[in-house]
Amino acid sequence: NAGVTQTPKFQVLKTGQSMTLQCAQDMNHEYMSWYRQDPGMGLRLIHYSVGAGITDQGEVPNGYNVSRSTTEDFPLRLLSAAPSQTSVYFCASSYSTKRYPFEQYFGPGTRLTVT
Amino acid sequence: KNQVEQSPQSLIILEGKNCTLQCNYTVSPFSNLRWYKQDTGRGPVSLTIMTFSENTKSNGRYTATLDADTKQSSLHITASQLSDSASYICVVTPNTNAGKSTFGDGTTLTVKP
Repeated sequence: NAGVTQTPKFQVLKTGQSMTLQCAQDMNHEYMSWYRQDPGMGLRLIHYSVGAGITDQGEVPNGYNVSRSTTEDFPLRLLSAAPSQTSVYFCASSYSTKRYPFEQYFGPGTRLTVT
Repeated sequence: KNQVEQSPQSLIILEGKNCTLQCNYTVSPFSNLRWYKQDTGRGPVSLTIMTFSENTKSNGRYTATLDADTKQSSLHITASQLSDSASYICVVTPNTNAGKSTFGDGTTLTVKP
């Protein structure tokens, strides 16, 4: 299994540009989430999905859109990039079993710089 | 608002020494508490997961404890190695919404030779 993959690894955008960060998982996990991590800070939840066709907002959803058309993919769209969105973005997927409740697996991250 | 607070913010220890990291939370009702290790430039990797009914969980040299009454957890690292240098993150998941875990800001551990 490849686990959780994210593309691109690095991206530089100009203010006002839009782009999509890709996230895919091959573990058939129900739950997928997007987080941003600013320097010296913890991960903050942007959006999450509990299954195909179902998404919900997290702590910091403004400026971002998501969709979940398949179990495997959960893209994050930046509508109009702003310097405040400069951060490292992590995608995570999760399953829930009796023994390991809500174990999350994280991708390698996408470093985004908005100038 | 659900909160997870970790201490200390950073810690420097010598190789071979033990250390303990703390996590206090206000998330309620509580489903599970996880400790993650995050190496610089990488995504977090799970170390331990504990449900509300568990008091301790070990993973090699890492031992996590949980006191659900006082809402406190600790991560004890034994015989530290240089490769333990990383950020350690405490994450708490509420019973009401598994999709909305709360992450602490992490403790940055530096192990020096």
